[in-house]
Amino acid sequence: ETGVTQTPRHLVMGMTNKKSLKCEQHLGHNAMYWYKQSAKKPLELMFVYSLEERVENNSVPSRFSPECPNSSHLFLHLHTLQPEDSALYLCASSQDLDGTTDTQYFGPGTRLTVL
Amino acid sequence: AQSVAQPEDQVNVAEGNPLTVKCTYSVSGNPYLFWYVQYPNRGLQFLLKYITGDNLVKGSYGFEAEFNKSQTSFHLKKPSALVSDSALYFCAVRVLSGNTGKLIFGQGTTLQVKP
Repeated sequence: ETGVTQTPRHLVMGMTNKKSLKCEQHLGHNAMYWYKQSAKKPLELMFVYSLEERVENNSVPSRFSPECPNSSHLFLHLHTLQPEDSALYLCASSQDLDGTTDTQYFGPGTRLTVL
Repeated sequence: AQSVAQPEDQVNVAEGNPLTVKCTYSVSGNPYLFWYVQYPNRGLQFLLKYITGDNLVKGSYGFEAEFNKSQTSFHLKKPSALVSDSALYFCAVRVLSGNTGKLIFGQGTTLQVKP
C-alpha cells in the first residue's frame, strides 16, 4: 500500500464545509482514478485522469471537484456535501490506460463522514 | 449490458480446506478479468488478472483463478485456506468506455475462514 498514499485517512465534515482529499502515487504511473465505495454497493468510478487530463467523468455531482496538478498527485475537492456522500473514497493509479498496462493499484482510502 | 456478478455475499470455509469464490461476467469481446482483496479499513489489493493465454492464472498469497470462456466464469481458488485470508474479495472486468478502459466491479464476497 505504500505505493499509493491517501490523506487524511478519516474526515468528518459538515454540509457547509470545504475540504480536500489528497492522493499521491510513488509508482511512476501516468493514470489516476477516484472511486467511491459505499456499504453494500459496488465500487463506483468517479473520475479518471491520464497525464493530468481528465478522461472520464461518471456523472458525478459538481460538489465533487477533482484536480490533477501532475501525474503523481490527485485531489478531490469537496464542497456542500450531503450525508449520503459519506463513504470510503479510494484513489488508484495505473501505468497507463492501455489494456495490458492498466492494472490499478489502490490507496488505503479516506473514510468520509458528512454530518 | 456489461457486468460482473458475484453470486455469494459470504463464503465460509474451515482453515486448511480449499476455497472457491465465484465470479461470472458478461462482456462483449475478449474479457480482461481481475481479482482484488480488501482487508478491513484498507484499500483494495491486486491479486491476479487474466488477459490471455493459460486459463489458470496464479496470483499473490497462493491464490489462483480459472478462466472458463464457455461458462463466462472466473472463479478464485486456493487449495488450503488460512484464517488470515478472511477479507472482502472483488471480481472486476475491464470494459471500454470510449477509448478508455475502466473496471466494473462485482458487489464483493466476504470470505470467512474459521480455525
